[in-house]
Amino acid sequence: GENVEQHPSTLSVQEGDSAVIKCTYSDSASNYFPWYKQELGKRPQLIIDIRSNVGEKKDQRIAVTLNKTAKHFSLHITETQPEDSAVYFCAAILNYGQNFVFGPGTRLSVLP
Amino acid sequence: KAGVTQTPRYLIKTRGQQVTLSCSPISGHRSVSWYQQTPGQGLQFLFEYFSETQRNKGNFPGRFSGRQFSNSRSEMNVSTLELGDSALYLCASSFTGGGGGTEAFFGQGTRLTVV
Repeated sequence: GENVEQHPSTLSVQEGDSAVIKCTYSDSASNYFPWYKQELGKRPQLIIDIRSNVGEKKDQRIAVTLNKTAKHFSLHITETQPEDSAVYFCAAILNYGQNFVFGPGTRLSVLP
Repeated sequence: KAGVTQTPRYLIKTRGQQVTLSCSPISGHRSVSWYQQTPGQGLQFLFEYFSETQRNKGNFPGRFSGRQFSNSRSEMNVSTLELGDSALYLCASSFTGGGGGTEAFFGQGTRLTVV
């Protein structure tokens, strides 16, 4: 089955700097890659997603890139703010009818 | 429209007891997935139900079970509770589930404490 690795497990950046979180997946048939943000004590919420027929997607300060050949995708956050501090989870979906496989998460701390 | 609702929000149970958690998905969503979240363990997949059928199952013991009703509401049951079952249990609903590429929405979770 699918296996998703995520790095780094923790990341501290200064406010205003950029943050990058990388995930790798094992099954080349995976075709949907969402990113979730979970603030302390709250539910995970989707922040951006990308499908396998797209190489990059951007939404304001957040972007996701996908390299199908290398089987990895990355989350990029620019001009980080304290409210970006949270745990971020990546996920991969193998095929229709399969379950999400989540990475272990990255705890991002944005220092003022 | 209403989001994903999980009840109860908090539970304290004693070892050996059983517990039932409930998840009401977003109206129209047919897929409900359950996850166990513990500190340092991320989101561990329990199972997924789609149109009242268990479609996928994670690597959890048989003490963990679930079901889905015709209105897509889902319940999960844990029997013979162990201390290690203490966790936040999250459910997520989506229209198709899986590779349909539709967004999964999470409930607020049920925090289970086993003493």
